[in-house]
Amino acid sequence: RKEVEQDPGPFNVPEGATVAFNCTYSNSASQSFFWYRQDCRKEPKLLMSVYSSGNEDGRFTAQLNRASQYISLLIRDSKLSDSATYLCVVNILSGSARQLTFGSGTQLTVLP
Amino acid sequence: DTGVSQDPRHKITKRGQNVTFRCDPISEHNRLYWYRQTLGQGPEFLTYFQNEAQLEKSRLLSDRFSAERPKGSFSTLEIQRTEQGDSAMYLCASNPTGNTDEQYFGPGTRLTVT
Repeated sequence: RKEVEQDPGPFNVPEGATVAFNCTYSNSASQSFFWYRQDCRKEPKLLMSVYSSGNEDGRFTAQLNRASQYISLLIRDSKLSDSATYLCVVNILSGSARQLTFGSGTQLTVLP
Repeated sequence: DTGVSQDPRHKITKRGQNVTFRCDPISEHNRLYWYRQTLGQGPEFLTYFQNEAQLEKSRLLSDRFSAERPKGSFSTLEIQRTEQGDSAMYLCASNPTGNTDEQYFGPGTRLTVT
């Protein structure tokens, strides 16, 4: 079983749609949680951190359920520029390294 | 540009050759990480430095791989006797010491082994 599992995708949605991505993680010792965005052939870029209380950044809302080991990302009023791969990421303290463990990503295409 | 930089951006090499990649982290970031990403997968952790000390290595890092950060600033990743399975994007990331886990990635070096 992978440590971080995401919806397989791809998601193809029209402009203006609301889309939700889900993610589960297996290590209950995970300490920090993130969503990264990766454009084709580019590096991952931090989209937002995810907090237990849930957090919002403009059209993006992230939620964390530690009991269920579940993370979600909601994108409202999607734009063409939201097309990218969204990576669910958890941080696990392994030895002395606070290493990030990535899901395989969910590809989103927003259609005009 | 004060972000993480990597050099070269692309490398094509023949099987059996040695290659070396360089990463310059964000200035004053003590922590530096190397990841490898193959098509359709998320990045996978390879190794971690705090200043010049290499504190963690993944099982993915075979004996053919070596990484250094001699002065606690830039880092190099060398792959000896490259194999076709080494073809991937090699990503470097950094963050400062402290209670932050957010990591900032460089543009990566795309390696193709023919």
